Amino acid sequence: DAGVIQSPRHEVTEMGQEVTLRCKPISGHDYLFWYRQTMMRGLELLIYFNNNVPIDDSGMPEDRFSAKMPNASFSTLKIQPSEPRDSAVYFCASKGQANTEAFFGQGTRLTVV
Amino acid sequence: AQSVTQLGSHVSVSEGALVLLRCNYSSSVPPYLFWYVQYPNQGLQLLLKYTTGATLVKGINGFEAEFKKSETSFHLTKPSAHMSDAAEYFCAVRPYNQGGKLIFGQGTELSVKP
Repeated sequence: DAGVIQSPRHEVTEMGQEVTLRCKPISGHDYLFWYRQTMMRGLELLIYFNNNVPIDDSGMPEDRFSAKMPNASFSTLKIQPSEPRDSAVYFCASKGQANTEAFFGQGTRLTVV
Repeated sequence: AQSVTQLGSHVSVSEGALVLLRCNYSSSVPPYLFWYVQYPNQGLQLLLKYTTGATLVKGINGFEAEFKKSETSFHLTKPSAHMSDAAEYFCAVRPYNQGGKLIFGQGTELSVKP
């Protein structure tokens, strides 16, 4: 298996632009998680899905952030409009029902200028 | 709310020396516990995990950790550090019955001196 695949690996955008981060979970996994990593706040959970349904979005910072999972093999995290404080590394992770641990993608490094 | 505390944001050891990275958690119910490693510009890779059973767990690359319920600790150790161990290490707790989400500590950056 190729693991969790995230795209793009790096994204630089201007303040006010829309940004879309993409994630392909490991085939057969039914949990998908979006995390954000910053120096100030460390690794924090933004949202997670089970069987494509959002279960807990309490970590989503504000309405500018939205996440979707239209099918079992694809998820997006969208920021509109983006702000410099959104600059961070965003990780996607997935987990199967039988797994105890989550498997992480390589991350997307977002820079908003 | 459950939380994870990693003592020391930066630890430096000499090659061949003992590695000890400290992790304490708060939880009313024994959770699942994990150590992940992150190399520069990479994602997180699982080192080891505790779920149930034996409290001393062994992981990859010679690392091990011991779950001590009375101390609410899950410290990570390795008898002899290697240069390739230089990375950031994260302790995480998976709260009971919350769908597998992880709560991470702030991370400890391990440096290994030749």
